[in-house]
Amino acid sequence: QSVLTQPPSASGTPGQRVTISCSGTSSNIGSNTVNWYQQLPGAAPKLLIYSNNQRPSGVPDRFSGSKSGTSASLAISGLQSEDEADYYCAAWDDSPNGVFGGGTKLTVL
Amino acid sequence: QLQLQESGPGLVKPSETLSLTCTVSSGSISDKTSYWGWVRQPPGKGLEWIGGVFYTGKNYYNPSLKSRVAISVDTSSNQFSLTLSSVTAADTAVYYCAKSSGSWFRFFSWGQGALVTVSS
Repeated sequence: QSVLTQPPSASGTPGQRVTISCSGTSSNIGSNTVNWYQQLPGAAPKLLIYSNNQRPSGVPDRFSGSKSGTSASLAISGLQSEDEADYYCAAWDDSPNGVFGGGTKLTVL
Repeated sequence: QLQLQESGPGLVKPSETLSLTCTVSSGSISDKTSYWGWVRQPPGKGLEWIGGVFYTGKNYYNPSLKSRVAISVDTSSNQFSLTLSSVTAADTAVYYCAKSSGSWFRFFSWGQGALVTVSS
């Protein structure tokens, strides 16, 4: 059971906009920033969004993040076939501990 | 560009100690804005943070693993290491080393991962 809650799956068609939610508590998302990772099959995770809504260099602006209270979301616009991957939210917890969501498998139909 | 490479045994017997080393290249492990961490992923499952270390030796560990984990840094070799004691089959996973910038849990760079299987 992961500390952060994500839907196990999401899907969309090419060109569509999809969002992935991440729910936490006051001790993690509520008081710290959220990061998002993309993991392609057989590869190491890759940082997609940090500090709630910042993109590392090289990440397309099709990817965006937001946070409100104890929840966060990742949005992917102009969905492409290469976006098919697992997506994880993550946040520091004040316990202290680093916590991940359980992951969302995105399927491009 | 910074690179990280995990190394260590791919097979560990139950009740023994898992040891992995991460070698950092094209960057300094003594960088004052970097924090070095370990994350694992059991086959077919999600990511789990194991813990991290700063170049001074300061650590944070996942509370669920804290009694069995130690992460250390060797600045002379530009490496940091993970030991996990009393392993069971539940510790079978791909183990990633990673670099976090600016805080303990924001991993901009990752190693390719090392599969460690716990089996007799």
